Amino acid sequence: KNQVEQSPQSLIILEGKNCTLQCNYTVSPFSNLRWYKQDTGRGPVSLTIMTFSENTKSNGRYTATLDADTKQSSLHITASQLSDSASYICVVSGIWEYGNKLVFGAGTILRVKS
Amino acid sequence: DVKVTQSSRYLVKRTGEKVFLECVQDMDHENMFWYRQDPGLGLRLIYFSYDVKMKEKGDIPEGYSVSREKKERFSLILESASTNQTSMYLCASSFPGLHYEQYFGPGTRLTVT
Repeated sequence: KNQVEQSPQSLIILEGKNCTLQCNYTVSPFSNLRWYKQDTGRGPVSLTIMTFSENTKSNGRYTATLDADTKQSSLHITASQLSDSASYICVVSGIWEYGNKLVFGAGTILRVKS
Repeated sequence: DVKVTQSSRYLVKRTGEKVFLECVQDMDHENMFWYRQDPGLGLRLIYFSYDVKMKEKGDIPEGYSVSREKKERFSLILESASTNQTSMYLCASSFPGLHYEQYFGPGTRLTVT
């Protein structure tokens, strides 16, 4: 069964600290993996995308890694800011006749406090 | 800037009412999607459309129908709303193809009482 599991479910950190969010998936065949950020009351917005051959991708203070052999990904946030408080969703794209079919993780809720 | 808009941010309806949720995108995307998002669960696909007047069932289509009469507009219909359809509904659109990003609207929080 195609699944995406994220950990932890929620996380509280102090402003300025780093954190790492985890994603394990069983989606096959695999096309790509994205990390989305979803602010409260808004739709998800893509942070990074990685294909099978990529193992690191950065977007400012966000760095995503992918190990396609173990089917694991992580999102590392450096020097966290209050605005990083959001839900972070790991989304794995499987190959599908109409393009990409997305399988969503349940998300990690991050709260950054001062 | 890609824009996906949804007709309402918050909606309260009574059990048994017919509910229409509308989504409009301005990027000429072929693909459009309706998801629902519930706490502790990932987004789940209800229906999608890959062209005007074309629709396909997603993972949880029961109790829903859709309409796509124009390329930019995709409607989700709850024929007879029930309390278990209380949820956040998200619309998305994208170009076809494996690597195109899905762009999401802001969501409609629907409460059925």
